[in-house]
Amino acid sequence: EVQLVESGGGLVQPGGSLRLSCAASGFTFSSYEMNWVRQAPGKGLEWVSYISSSGSTIYYADSVKGRFTISRDNAKNSLYLQMNSLRAEDTAVYYCARDSPPRYFDLWGRGTLVTVSS
Amino acid sequence: DIQMTQSPSSLSASVGDRVTITCRASQSISSYLNWYQQKPGKAPKLLIYAASSLQSGVPSRFSGSGSGTDFTLTISSLQPEDFATYYCQQSYSTPGFGPGTKVDIK
Repeated sequence: EVQLVESGGGLVQPGGSLRLSCAASGFTFSSYEMNWVRQAPGKGLEWVSYISSSGSTIYYADSVKGRFTISRDNAKNSLYLQMNSLRAEDTAVYYCARDSPPRYFDLWGRGTLVTVSS
Repeated sequence: DIQMTQSPSSLSASVGDRVTITCRASQSISSYLNWYQQKPGKAPKLLIYAASSLQSGVPSRFSGSGSGTDFTLTISSLQPEDFATYYCQQSYSTPGFGPGTKVDIK
């Protein structure tokens, strides 16, 4: 089955860190660009970060630049998001999404909830 | 950054109605516009890509049109499973989503 499964969410204090993972299966992960998209409770969708298929090209939203790091391990069919210096406004469901050119998201995981609170 | 707006922000409609949602970009994005459907507690689902191309498996009652700055998503005959929130997304530059349009039951 073609799917993406996120993990690693949870409750963290402001200023803390968390690492999200996204496990891909059922398709050739190494051939696809990938993204993280988040959704704060009751709010709309916000694109967070992009990584090319090889990992050589990376982009971030201004809201997370300098705090979040996207990476991938094609041998493990996995995508990651290292989140540091977390703020209350980072509270959201984080989705990983497969990118089909030109940058539409045709496969989404079910999401993992990150709550930043003291 | 390219700003995306949608109208209306919400609408009430009945089963069988024709529904139209508009998305506008702050600058021309050619046909780099995609539409998603999201139901409560679920991940978004791609409906339309490149402004007018129907994603595989999506019912033909969904259609998209437009280019440049103005785009439209049309549901030709609303079905019970179509009550959801719809988002447009531009892929001309770093991706950005519209604020969403919630379609609920009249």
